[in-house]
Amino acid sequence: SQQGEEDPQALSIQEGENATMNCSYKTSINNLQWYRQNSGRGLVHLILIRSNEREKHSGRLRVTLDTSKKSSSLLITASRAADTASYFCATGFPGSARQLTFGSGTQLTVLP
Amino acid sequence: GAVVSQHPSRVICKSGTSVKIECRSLDFQATTMFWYRQFPKQSLMLMATSNEGSKATYEQGVEKDKFLINHASLTLSTLTVTSAHPEDSSFYICSARYASSYNEQFFGPGTRLTVL
Repeated sequence: SQQGEEDPQALSIQEGENATMNCSYKTSINNLQWYRQNSGRGLVHLILIRSNEREKHSGRLRVTLDTSKKSSSLLITASRAADTASYFCATGFPGSARQLTFGSGTQLTVLP
Repeated sequence: GAVVSQHPSRVICKSGTSVKIECRSLDFQATTMFWYRQFPKQSLMLMATSNEGSKATYEQGVEKDKFLINHASLTLSTLTVTSAHPEDSSFYICSARYASSYNEQFFGPGTRLTVL
């Protein structure tokens, strides 16, 4: 299976702390994306990083990509209670007709 | 921009009936739409990929006669769960992309199907 693995599966932190989630994948990729899902809702695209990029920022989000280790991390700084959600990484592969393969997800809980 | 809607948001049906779920791109033309299934506290599993005007490509293990996909226009795709059974109960999510959106997909809010 090409599906990525994320760790931790669940993460609980206090408001104001930073949250780091990791994603590992198995084969060569074109790009890696992070999505957020609130309970029972659809997914919201957060950030996309291409395979030739190493780091990307968007607001309080910082994503890194290490293609040699086939891994990525998502850092959310100064977390807020509203950041509570599930976070998924998704990878796009060469020749995959633009399909994405989703990781197992991290459930983040930010306590007020 | 890039808003995708799904209808209905929730549906409860009896075993043996068929259920149609609509996925619409509201403000862009979707060259490709994707259908996913998600079980509680699990990841999204791709069911099929559909391009406007052509037959859907189903993932291994997904029965195409059970999950009928129609992508008749650049803004609408439908998933019909035929002869639904309780094991088909799940959260179904569609997504869409447009030609220049690289690999980014825009997701609908999902449809919760419960088969009694």
